[in-house]
Parts: sequence; structure tokens; C-alpha cells
Amino acid sequence: DVKVTQSSRYLVKRTGEKVFLECVQDMDHENMFWYRQDPGLGLRLIYFSYDVKMKEKGDIPEGYSVSREKKERFSLILESASTNQTSMYLCASRLAGTYEQYFGPGTRLTVT
Amino acid sequence: RKEVEQDPGPFNVPEGATVAFNCTYSNSASQSFFWYRQDCRKEPKLLMSVYSSGNEDGRFTAQLNRASQYISLLIRDSKLSDSATYLCVVKGGGNAGNMLTFGGGTRLMVKP
Repeated sequence: DVKVTQSSRYLVKRTGEKVFLECVQDMDHENMFWYRQDPGLGLRLIYFSYDVKMKEKGDIPEGYSVSREKKERFSLILESASTNQTSMYLCASRLAGTYEQYFGPGTRLTVT
Repeated sequence: RKEVEQDPGPFNVPEGATVAFNCTYSNSASQSFFWYRQDCRKEPKLLMSVYSSGNEDGRFTAQLNRASQYISLLIRDSKLSDSATYLCVVKGGGNAGNMLTFGGGTRLMVKP
């Protein structure tokens, strides 16, 4: 079974703090993704990575950065958290050339 | 206009009912189509792919109408366990490449 884990289920941070969200997958998948999910807006792609050290902007990259130093790990960084970044963050991975994405359990981030 | 649009619901149906969801997409170059299921406070998981000829998996039938750019999901003999949010997902086409675009989801509640 594919397993995608995220470092925290719930996180509360203050405005201006630097926030790290970690995602790890154990199936040697090349592709990894970060989404945020908000009511009425669905899942929106923030960043994705086709392979180690590669990253591409998704639809809403502003205010975020990512790091992929190892194949199994994809980190999302909020350089200076703002209240409009309060959301559910979902990481996903998939094998290159396939279309099924496996999601982690999500991190609910609240920025106060 | 959103790229993938769904009626958010909720659809409240009794057990045993047949229920259908539609989804429309705007990118005529889209290549592949899927339905994902997301249980409350859980991550999305692939339910089924949608093929041009239509496909069935037990009580679930998915259909694609390329001319009208819509996808449907039919659930027969609804079970309480079918209660979830169903996400319509479209892959790429044109500049979107291999990316998946998610609809906002349709919430289904099956009542005893």
C-alpha cells in the first residue's frame, strides 16, 4: 500500500512566522504535489515536483516555496505566514507516467 | 469560469436510491477524467477513471460526453457508506500537460 504521511494533522501559527510542512512517501514516486483545499474552491495546486531538486509553480504559488532534496520528501514552506493561508494542506504523490495520485491525510493550518 | 465545475450539493437521498452527479470542464483539450472520493476529514482517493465508452464498477457508472464537455457519475442502490464528497478530476490538455484539475466536489448524504 502506498503511504503518504504529513508531519502534522493540526498546526496553529502566528502571522509572520515561518512554517514548514513536511510530506514523505514510501513508494519511490517521482512526482509530488502540494495542494490547499478551501470550502467552495476545491483543491488548488500550489507547487509540484517531477523529481529530486525539481520544482514547478502550480496555480497559486505566491507566498509559498518548496524543497525537494530527497526523492521521498517534499516540503512546503510559508516564509511569512498570513491569515489568508489558513487552510487544509494536502500533499500527494504519483508514479511518473501514471495518473493516480495518492494523498496524505492533510495538515489543517490555522494562522492567527 | 472555473475549469471544472460541480454542483456542491448536498444531495440528500434515502438508502437504495439512485443518484447522479454531473461535472463540466472548460478545457476541450483535456485528455483523461476521473472521479475521486473524499470522506469527511479524510484525504481524496481515486474512485474510478472515466472512459469515452463509459464504464461501470459495481454500483457505480461513469460516463463522458466530450462534445458537451461533461462527465457524470451514477450511483445505484445507495448505501450509507456512500456518504462522501465526490470530486470530478480532469487531466491536462494543452498547456496543462499532465496536471490534474479538481472540481470543488459534490457532497452526498445517504440517509437510512
